[in-house]
Amino acid sequence: SQTIHQWPATLVQPVGSPLSLECTVEGTSNPNLYWYRQAAGRGLQLLFYSVGIGQISSEVPQNLSASRPQDRQFILSSKKLLLSDSGFYLCAWSGPGQGHSGANVLTFGAGSRLTVL
Amino acid sequence: GEDVEQSLFLSVREGDSSVINCTYTDSSSTYLYWYKQEPGAGLQLLTYIFSNMDMKQDQRLTVLLNKKDKHLSLRIADTQTGDSAIYFCAESPRSGGSYIPTFGRGTSLIVHP
Repeated sequence: SQTIHQWPATLVQPVGSPLSLECTVEGTSNPNLYWYRQAAGRGLQLLFYSVGIGQISSEVPQNLSASRPQDRQFILSSKKLLLSDSGFYLCAWSGPGQGHSGANVLTFGAGSRLTVL
Repeated sequence: GEDVEQSLFLSVREGDSSVINCTYTDSSSTYLYWYKQEPGAGLQLLTYIFSNMDMKQDQRLTVLLNKKDKHLSLRIADTQTGDSAIYFCAESPRSGGSYIPTFGRGTSLIVHP
């Protein structure tokens, strides 16, 4: 069966420090991968998605970046965190090719809570 | 573009039925989803429906779709305290354009004993 792992679960970082959140998926190949941010009362904001290794699409301009060095690994990074980067970050995956002619069901990780002080 | 709207809060008494509503704007064939998020956790898919269907039932959950009004609802029968969570409505087009689901802001369901 497929599983998705995110870490760390909780992170407290000072303003200006770097960030690295990691997400891995097991039990599938060539998944579509997504990073979302959930700020209090603002729902889910899509940050990045990837349909393959090295293929990253950015939805929102910000000081965050994403990379996909391996097929089932998705990393969210920042060189210098801002206070506004605080939030709950969710990684998700969906089956390869899903969405083109059928339902695009996302499976989410447990999330990473980032507090920038 | 797609837009999904939900009310932010719903409070019900344990044992009553809960009805969570959602409206969407995409006029093309689309899939519509309901996800549940428990405190401090990720989202979990509850059910989804294609826009050519009117209703889908799964145990205590009933999804109703009014295509004309672009209105989707999730009914939870015999609501329990364990149903307290945030419920997200989402839609994704069946073909063409971005297939990535657009999520609503979520409805916080509070169940009182």
